[in-house]
Amino acid sequence: QLQLQESGPGLVKPSETLSLTCSVSGGSISSSTYYWGWIRQPPGKGLEWIGSIYYSGSTYYNPSLESRVTISVEASKNHFSLNLNSVTAADTAVYYCARQLASGWYLGWFDPWGRGTLVTVSS
Amino acid sequence: EIVLTQSPGTLSLSPGERATLSCRASQSVRSSYLAWYQQRPGQAPRLLISGASSRATGIPDRFSGSGSGTDFTLTISRLEPEDFAVYYCQQYGSLPFTFGPGTKVDIK
Repeated sequence: QLQLQESGPGLVKPSETLSLTCSVSGGSISSSTYYWGWIRQPPGKGLEWIGSIYYSGSTYYNPSLESRVTISVEASKNHFSLNLNSVTAADTAVYYCARQLASGWYLGWFDPWGRGTLVTVSS
Repeated sequence: EIVLTQSPGTLSLSPGERATLSCRASQSVRSSYLAWYQQRPGQAPRLLISGASSRATGIPDRFSGSGSGTDFTLTISRLEPEDFAVYYCQQYGSLPFTFGPGTKVDIK
C-alpha cells in the first residue's frame, strides 16, 4: 500500500526558506502513471495546490506561488521536495504531499495523501 | 483560473438523513474533471469521487457524484456517524488546479 510522509522543520523564520521532503514507500516514484504534488491548508481554511512534479523533473506550479516555489525529485531516494522562499506568516499552513494521476493528456486527482505537517512562520 | 463555489457552507443533519452538497464552477470544467474529497478533523483529505461520478476504491456506495459543465453534486444517501466531516470539490480540467472552500456536514 502506497504511503507518503512529509518531513521538515515545523518552524521557519520570516523571509527564510521553507523546505520539506515527501518520502514515498510501498511504490516507486518513477512510475510513468503519476505526478507527485504539494498542497497546503492554512489553519481553519481550505486547500491550495502548490505544484506537481514528474519523476523526470517536469513540473507544474500554481502561478500564485510560482515565483517563490521550487519542487524537485530524487528518484534514487524515492522522495520529492518542496522549497518555498521568502516566507511570511501567510505561508503558515499544514503542508500535504500526494500522488497525482497522470493520464496521457491530463493530470488528475490526488490520492493518496500524506498525513501533513504543520509549518509555522514566526520569528 | 476556475473558481469553485460550494454550498451550503454548513449542512446540519441527523444520522440516516440524506445530504446534498453543491459545487459550482466559474467556467465549464473540461470533461467533468472534478473530484470530491472528505476531510475529517485532524486528518488529511481522502478521495471519494473522481471524474464527477466515479467512486474511488473502498468508498461506500452511499456516496455518489453527478453533474457536468459548471454544476456538480455530491450526495450521501444515508449519513453514518463517520460521514460528519468537511467535503471539498477540486477541478483538474485546467491549470491551476483549484479547490472549493468546502462544505461542513455537522450533526444536527
